[in-house]
Amino acid sequence: DQQVKQNSPSLSVQEGRISILNCDYTNSMFDYFLWYKKYPAEGPTFLISISSIKDKNEDGRFTVFLNKSAKHLSLHIVPSQPGDSAVYFCAASSRNTGNQFYFGTGTSLTVIP
Amino acid sequence: DAGITQSPRHKVTETGTPVTLRCHQTENHRYMYWYRQDPGHGLRLIHYSYGVKDTDKGEVSDGYSVSRSKTEDFLLTLESATSSQTSVYFCAISATSGSIQETQYFGPGTRLLVL
Repeated sequence: DQQVKQNSPSLSVQEGRISILNCDYTNSMFDYFLWYKKYPAEGPTFLISISSIKDKNEDGRFTVFLNKSAKHLSLHIVPSQPGDSAVYFCAASSRNTGNQFYFGTGTSLTVIP
Repeated sequence: DAGITQSPRHKVTETGTPVTLRCHQTENHRYMYWYRQDPGHGLRLIHYSYGVKDTDKGEVSDGYSVSRSKTEDFLLTLESATSSQTSVYFCAISATSGSIQETQYFGPGTRLLVL
């Protein structure tokens, strides 16, 4: 049973425009959320995180929004650049699950020059 | 970048043979993890360790065992490899304390093909 879901396997965006990647979760106990970026043949790299006490966290071009009532988070990339083309995974964890992270299935972002 | 290496990076083996993958870290982090990545499934936790000789199962642990005799090394063993274990395996580390949730950092991955 997938506790973290990314329902869009792929997304294409023009360079300079906004990319919005979405993630839904089912476990209301999750209190920490992360986004990872993965290039082919490399390991995932940490991008940005958010605690459940916040509803927004920003780091440069990347902003993560958390809507706890909807159990939904999103990653906004503005402006999108060709180097952002990668697979993006969202992940969630809870103090009640120890330090186990649950990952979504990933969204492949293509930024078209 | 976090100091995490995995070996081998690529391996081809035959069904029924034992396989051991190694993860080595230079960060002295307490927690270490093994994941597998498969199309349509994302990253799934196999086993994790919260200290030397302290390990626990993840959601897809069947057919796998782990060992951690030193802080820096975490071994994943497939006792008798099957074709369903063909995958990309990632090791991750984190330094989580009991009250702080910290990020996991990933190694470069091992691509395993079981024929």
